[in-house]
Amino acid sequence: EDKVVQSPLSLVVHEGDTVTLNCSYEVTNFRSLLWYKQEKKAPTFLFMLTSSGIEKKSGRLSSILDKKELFSILNITATQTGDSAIYLCAVEARGLGSQGAQKLVFGQGTRLTINP
Amino acid sequence: GAVVSQHPSRVICKSGTSVKIECRSLDFQATTMFWYRQFPKKSLMLMATSNEGSKATYEQGVEKDKFLINHASLTLSTLTVTSAHPEDSSFYICSASYPSWDRGRLNTEAFFGQGTRLTVV
Repeated sequence: EDKVVQSPLSLVVHEGDTVTLNCSYEVTNFRSLLWYKQEKKAPTFLFMLTSSGIEKKSGRLSSILDKKELFSILNITATQTGDSAIYLCAVEARGLGSQGAQKLVFGQGTRLTINP
Repeated sequence: GAVVSQHPSRVICKSGTSVKIECRSLDFQATTMFWYRQFPKKSLMLMATSNEGSKATYEQGVEKDKFLINHASLTLSTLTVTSAHPEDSSFYICSASYPSWDRGRLNTEAFFGQGTRLTVV
């Protein structure tokens, strides 16, 4: 059974701190790993990772994938209160749809709270 | 950019009635769309894969007769919750995949609708 596990489930830090969120996975026919940020409604896309060892950066956020150890980390530096959200990790895998269409398997999410 | 529109954003219905939720890809064709359900303070759970022109593929434990999915065109998938019950109250989100090129490799990125908050009273 495909599985994605995130840790920690909840994290509370002070503004300015650096945080690292973890995501490990076990899926068949891995295609990519994605990070999303969810505030009030639908998730918003952060990163898509397909290759090991290549860091992707966007401002204070960065992420990297290790396909050998089957995990990814999401780093946020100099955190701000606006970073408070649920961060979701999802893995794209071959699903049961027609022509083996891909599906996203989500982890439980990490609820990040940044206190001023 | 790729836009997925979901409607309605919020619906309240009585027990026993049916509710239809629409998911549209506005500026691209989506042969496959996905329906997710999210319980409070939980992650997204894949319910089914909606395939244009064929039957949906349901995940284990999801009742296909209760959650009817129709993917009538390349831009529209609908989820109908039949004989709604208060335990069906939840946040339902659809997504559609859009291909993009990254370093010479074709990837597919999932774009989400805004979600529908269903409350059954």
